[in-house]
Amino acid sequence: DGGITQSPKYLFRKEGQNVTLSCEQNLNHDAMYWYRQDPGQGLRLIYYSQIVNDFQKGDIAEGYSVSREKKESFPLTVTSAQKNPTAFYLCASSIMAGSGRETQYFGPGTRLLVL
Amino acid sequence: EDQVTQSPEALRLQEGESSSLNCSYTVSGLRGLFWYRQDPGKGPEFLFTLYSAGEEKEKERLKATLTKKESFLHITAPKPEDSATYLCAVQAIQGGSEKLVFGKGTKLTVNP
Repeated sequence: DGGITQSPKYLFRKEGQNVTLSCEQNLNHDAMYWYRQDPGQGLRLIYYSQIVNDFQKGDIAEGYSVSREKKESFPLTVTSAQKNPTAFYLCASSIMAGSGRETQYFGPGTRLLVL
Repeated sequence: EDQVTQSPEALRLQEGESSSLNCSYTVSGLRGLFWYRQDPGKGPEFLFTLYSAGEEKEKERLKATLTKKESFLHITAPKPEDSATYLCAVQAIQGGSEKLVFGKGTKLTVNP
């Protein structure tokens, strides 16, 4: 089955710790995205990548970092600089960014909690 | 600034009671409007894409329509399994790049 997988489902972070969220897709999509979802707010874009070895900051990139070494993978690191990391994190992918007519498909999400 | 506003925030229906959800938007250049369904603790599930005013899409009990300023998601004879949060997003050009701008969602509850 083609799709997007995220792991882990739940993640606990201690103060001062960096944690990495995994996102893998086997849809052969070029573009991948990371969003953050908080209660009562719309999804907010953290980072996106249109092609391997390239990525751009979204609206709320501070305290986060990403890499795109493979087409299938787009891991997100939540650094200790992110002071309010508790949220539901969603990874998405689309055939190609910038075409104006691509649909983003989402993974199941990772809930990050601070200990 | 590009904005997407969904109303109502929450909606309770009885099974079989048809209604509509609204998504109004202000964007400088609409490239597409998307509807998603999200169940608690899960990722959004794609429902529809609409590209131009007057366009309509249907899937089972759901029908999405688009005008120049808003979109409606019509739910006909809903069932309890239609209970979910419905998200609207518009694809617009911001800062020279295309991105999705999401509304806050409408939480739909269908009582048996």
